[in-house]
Amino acid sequence: GAVVSQHPSRVICKSGTSVKIECRSLDFQATTMFWYRQFPKQSLMLMATSNEGSKATYEQGVEKDKFLINHASLTLSTLTVTSAHPEDSSFYICSARDLPGGQMNTEAFFGQGTRLTVV
Amino acid sequence: SQQGEEDPQALSIQEGENATMNCSYKTSINNLQWYRQNSGRGLVHLILIRSNEREKHSGRLRVTLDTSKKSSSLLITASRAADTASYFCATDLGITPLVFGKGTRLSVIA
Repeated sequence: GAVVSQHPSRVICKSGTSVKIECRSLDFQATTMFWYRQFPKQSLMLMATSNEGSKATYEQGVEKDKFLINHASLTLSTLTVTSAHPEDSSFYICSARDLPGGQMNTEAFFGQGTRLTVV
Repeated sequence: SQQGEEDPQALSIQEGENATMNCSYKTSINNLQWYRQNSGRGLVHLILIRSNEREKHSGRLRVTLDTSKKSSSLLITASRAADTASYFCATDLGITPLVFGKGTRLSVIA
């Protein structure tokens, strides 16, 4: 089955620095990828939809200047957390769907997640 | 915003027992999907049930869908300690992002 690889799995950074998280679709082309955030014992909250070759679409309440998304190719999307604060500490998960020809009713594939800790 | 609501939020059972989790949602859907998440890990797809299907099986998993009640259930039979995880339902309106429920934390005690 399709695989989505997310890197790094864990990162600790200092307040004020930036962290980049990569999400790659390994055996399919993903024109659209999704970034989620998950707090402990909570559900996944959609942050933004990443579209290849165009600007990301952010959910209400998500700061686009703080969470920079770049989807430069059909297999790679990156999320950069800029000027990180301790409250940005969370679990970030990317997802992609293999939708050849616009086919629907397909499962989503998830990266392994990135545990970000800002100290 | 979240659409799905699972219940119970937490479930603890003995190994060998069956575990049932329920999910309710609010809008019309193309399909509903169930995922599993081990602590601190990504999500693993378990099963997808389309809006025109009522029941689906996969190994020890049985999923039902009642579109008139906008609800779904996930049954895990003969549970094992390795089934301990969080389980999420996700509604799919098409090629849009999945919308996840709050999840059920299942603990299977050996």
